Amino acid sequence: AQSVTQLGSHVSVSEGALVLLRCNYSSSVPPYLFWYVQYPNQGLQLLLKYTSAATLVKGINGFEAEFKKSETSFHLTKPSAHMSDAAEYFCAVSDQNSGYSTLTFGKGTMLLVSP
Amino acid sequence: NAGVTQTPKFRVLKTGQSMTLLCAQDMNHEYMYWYRQDPGMGLRLIHYSVGEGTTAKGEVPDGYNVSRLKKQNFLLGLESAAPSQTSVYFCASSYNLGTEAFFGQGTRLTVV
Repeated sequence: AQSVTQLGSHVSVSEGALVLLRCNYSSSVPPYLFWYVQYPNQGLQLLLKYTSAATLVKGINGFEAEFKKSETSFHLTKPSAHMSDAAEYFCAVSDQNSGYSTLTFGKGTMLLVSP
Repeated sequence: NAGVTQTPKFRVLKTGQSMTLLCAQDMNHEYMYWYRQDPGMGLRLIHYSVGEGTTAKGEVPDGYNVSRLKKQNFLLGLESAAPSQTSVYFCASSYNLGTEAFFGQGTRLTVV
């Protein structure tokens, strides 16, 4: 069964600092992995996705994530935080068993950006 | 292009009342989903549909029913609302399983 663990329900950074949001997955086979962002009172928007092509995936708004099979991780990074990055971020996995499954989401990490 | 549209956006129900949440998508997607979002719990799948006329249970289906009579619409029903169903409900659609899901803006439901 697939699952996702996001370490840290809240992460605080200063504007201009590195953003690192952690995601580890559990899957019996190589999965598809996603990062979504949710701004207050809005739906979820896709940031980036890994679908077994390049292990380093670039997304919107300067975010990127690296798939590391040996560590079962898919951490999200951004070199320099901006105030507008303050939002909740969700990692999600779709396991491939007999065809791909529905998305399973982590519990989310709230990113707080201070001036 | 509207994407995924949910109605209503807000609703307050009394315990025991019933209601239906409507989701409409204009992307011709086969797959549609209903999730609920609760603080500290992430998103949990309630029910989903792999095509018109088909539905399946997700992780937390109890107390909910769904119908997919038309490809573009996916309805979520609460027959007898309970305070535990106070939540934010999101509808989503995708071209296929394992592909990007597009989300609506959510429905905030309070059951008193």
